[in-house]
Order: sequence, then C-alpha cells, then structure tokens
Amino acid sequence: AAGVIQSPRHLIKEKRETATLKCYPIPRHDTVYWYQQGPGQDPQFLISFYEKMQSDKGSIPDRFSAQQFSDYHSELNMSSLELGDSALYFCASRDNRGPPTDTQYFGPGTRLTVL
Amino acid sequence: DAKTTQPPSMDCAEGRAANLPCNHSTISGNEYVYWYRQIHSQGPQYIIHGLKNNETNEMASLIITEDRKSSTLILPHATLRDTAVYYCIVRPLTSGTYKYIFGTGTRLKVLA
Repeated sequence: AAGVIQSPRHLIKEKRETATLKCYPIPRHDTVYWYQQGPGQDPQFLISFYEKMQSDKGSIPDRFSAQQFSDYHSELNMSSLELGDSALYFCASRDNRGPPTDTQYFGPGTRLTVL
Repeated sequence: DAKTTQPPSMDCAEGRAANLPCNHSTISGNEYVYWYRQIHSQGPQYIIHGLKNNETNEMASLIITEDRKSSTLILPHATLRDTAVYYCIVRPLTSGTYKYIFGTGTRLKVLA
C-alpha cells in the first residue's frame, strides 16, 4: 500500500538559510499534519491542513510557514534557520472523510541539520 | 487534551508478553486511546486504538480499565524488532483536527 512520502530525507543547511520540506500524503487523504522531533525529544505538533486550509496550529515558530496544495501535498517552509531547528520533521496524513477514529499515518521524516 | 503518564523505560525477554501501562486519569467520555510506536527515529507507527472495550489486532491487545483512567498495551510474544518507544495518546473525536499530543512514551527494550 502507498505510504506518506517526504522529501528530502536529509537536508543540511547553514544558519540563516531557508529550507523547504515536502510531504505527499497517502492517495485520497485530504488532511496533513506536521510534527517536529528534536534530538532526544518526543514529536511536537506544528500545524495541520484540511482541504488546503489551515485547520490547527501548534508551537510553530513565526519563521515557519506551510501550505497545502490542490493535489493535497504540503510544504513546510522554514526561514532564518537556527541551530535549534535541527530536528526530525514528520508529516502525517489522514482521510477526514472517514470515521473520526481513523488514524494518522506518518511518513519516514526529513532530518534537518542546521550548521 | 488529556495528559498521559507512562513509565520511561521497560525491559522484556524475547518471546514473553510485554505489558506497557498508560495512565490517563483525566480522560473524558469522547476521547479515544491510541497507541503508536517509534522504532529508532522512524515515523511513528500505528498499533491500536480503543474507547472502552478491549481491542485486539494482529499486532497487539489493548486493555482499558472500566473507569477508563488507565490502559495496558500487550505485545503477546515480544521479539527483538519490537524494541521501540511506545506512545499512548488520548485524542478527542470532536475536536475537528484530530492532532496528536505525544507524551514522553515508554522505551521498551526486548532482550535476547
């Protein structure tokens, strides 16, 4: 079965640079979630989109923005990168047309390293 | 969202049952219990979920107490590949966004 695809899998950037992370949800899934997991920490919810609209927002820095496109893929844009942004970034997708108990399916993650 | 409490770590012998507890004493009536695991920095993997009845699938069993204030994930025959961090997540069904709030999880180590 098709899974969530994230690209790139690894990304190395310098401080103050920008980065764009991409997420391609499971086909027919209309909802995308972004999570950040710092070294030794647990995943933290950043932001979510449903039908191309932002549906919820967590502890996402103002330097970050995201959007969902008409094909339901999503991009997380990160500017003025800081050392503390080094983390694993997970995308998850869900079919909001299913029952409320339907689960989120996570991608393999993008490992961002800021030097 | 309800807060969950899990032991930080547990060991289990290979082939034995692994019982992972989770406390969610402030859970409300419309909140489900979900279990995920994360194997070595991979994306979290769904295991099972339930409301108040015990649930079983090909991966595990979920036992929820009658008052719903705690639950136990049971891996019936743990293997080395089950070594992972296990997260218990309580999620409401009426929030509209269904985001997950991860707690600290239990690091399970299966020993040969």
